[in-house]
Amino acid sequence: GAGVSQSPRYKVAKRGQDVALRCDPISGHVSLFWYQQALGQGPEFLTYFQNEAQLDKSGLPSDRFFAERPEGSVSTLKIQRTQQEDSAVYLCASSYRDEQFFGPGTRLTVL
Amino acid sequence: QQQVKQSPQSLIVQKGGISIINCAYENTAFDYFPWYQQFPGKGPALLIAIRPDVSEKKEGRFTISFNKSAKQFSLHIMDSQPGDSATYFCAAGAVQGAQKLVFGQGTRLTINP
Repeated sequence: GAGVSQSPRYKVAKRGQDVALRCDPISGHVSLFWYQQALGQGPEFLTYFQNEAQLDKSGLPSDRFFAERPEGSVSTLKIQRTQQEDSAVYLCASSYRDEQFFGPGTRLTVL
Repeated sequence: QQQVKQSPQSLIVQKGGISIINCAYENTAFDYFPWYQQFPGKGPALLIAIRPDVSEKKEGRFTISFNKSAKQFSLHIMDSQPGDSATYFCAAGAVQGAQKLVFGQGTRLTINP
């Protein structure tokens, strides 16, 4: 079956631009997570949804980061006024119970 | 207290040998400990996971050993193969935290043929 998909796979933005990253979770997975992975580091938690409800956004680094999952399926992570320090791979994961299945990530480069 | 410390940072093992990666945690609320394998340009893939009610779990060539009192767990890869060359991450999660995972820093494993 289909796994978690993310688009775009690569995104180059000029500093100050807004970007939107999309995640399509595995069908039927209630929970959805966003993580940020800096080069050579482990993923770091950003935010968590259960269905359409955003239950934890404690990892979002600033109010420039915003995530939504309006119908409890597809999720979008939006970053406003991008900065160079936002350059990273953004990973989405979905889960039914304990096991989190990750997508391939979106590599964001801010110039 | 949320940190998960992983070692070594990099590891080189001969084909057929045993690869061992160690992790330690502080938060006693953690009750789920997965290991992920990541290839360049790919997302992390779940390898094996353990809960603290058992001290060891084996799946094929992969074994997790868990020491609750020491708050440590490790991944053993038996009969290591060149195809196992990848970056490995340990992680920890807690039910009360809705299983958001805290990851270690990663171990870059190279298996020499």
